[in-house]
Amino acid sequence: DAGITQSPRYKITETGRQVTLMCHQTWSHSYMFWYRQDLGHGLRLIYYSAAADITDKGEVPDGYVVSRSKTENFPLTLESATRSQTSVYFCASSDPGGGEGANVLTFGAGSRLTVL
Amino acid sequence: TQLLEQSPQFLSIQEGENLTVYCNSSSVFSSLQWYRQEPGEGPVLLVTVVTGGEVKKLKRLTFQFGDARKDSSLHITAAQPGDTGLYLCAGASWYGNKLVFGAGTILRVKS
Repeated sequence: DAGITQSPRYKITETGRQVTLMCHQTWSHSYMFWYRQDLGHGLRLIYYSAAADITDKGEVPDGYVVSRSKTENFPLTLESATRSQTSVYFCASSDPGGGEGANVLTFGAGSRLTVL
Repeated sequence: TQLLEQSPQFLSIQEGENLTVYCNSSSVFSSLQWYRQEPGEGPVLLVTVVTGGEVKKLKRLTFQFGDARKDSSLHITAAQPGDTGLYLCAGASWYGNKLVFGAGTILRVKS
């Protein structure tokens, strides 16, 4: 089915471990994004990508690494997880364009990460 | 840095009541989007407003974009329990494809 898929949906890890959250989209959207959602902060942008092999930092990039070797995949890696990275992570995609369709995000269902 | 202030943060009302959620900024946006999010799911787009002063209606939901393109409101008439969820506003800048999100309004409609 077309859409945007995140995995795993739930993950519990320990401080210091490396964790990778996967994101796969079938829309062929050029833009992909990673957000974290925490109560009181809304959605905060971690990293985004305009196309394969092009990535850029968002508002809260520290402690995270991304890559985009293929248009459809945009994995997010926490190199050494910390408790402050406990959050719900959302991947999203969009297609550039004009009018009302511009910048509209399609979100995945989220990955809930707990760092003990 | 562009910021979007969303209010109220929480809203608990009875079925049938009306409510308004506000989204304000000191920045000008090219467009403003409203999303709704249910527990365990990602946000889903409700509407995009692109013209200053624009009013859009979606059944019982009315969205307005301020004349100066700095603020927006979402008004729900005769709220129903199915309207329960997290409502997020998001502003788009004139360049780039990044959105700025408000902190969200948690709405609970009791039957």
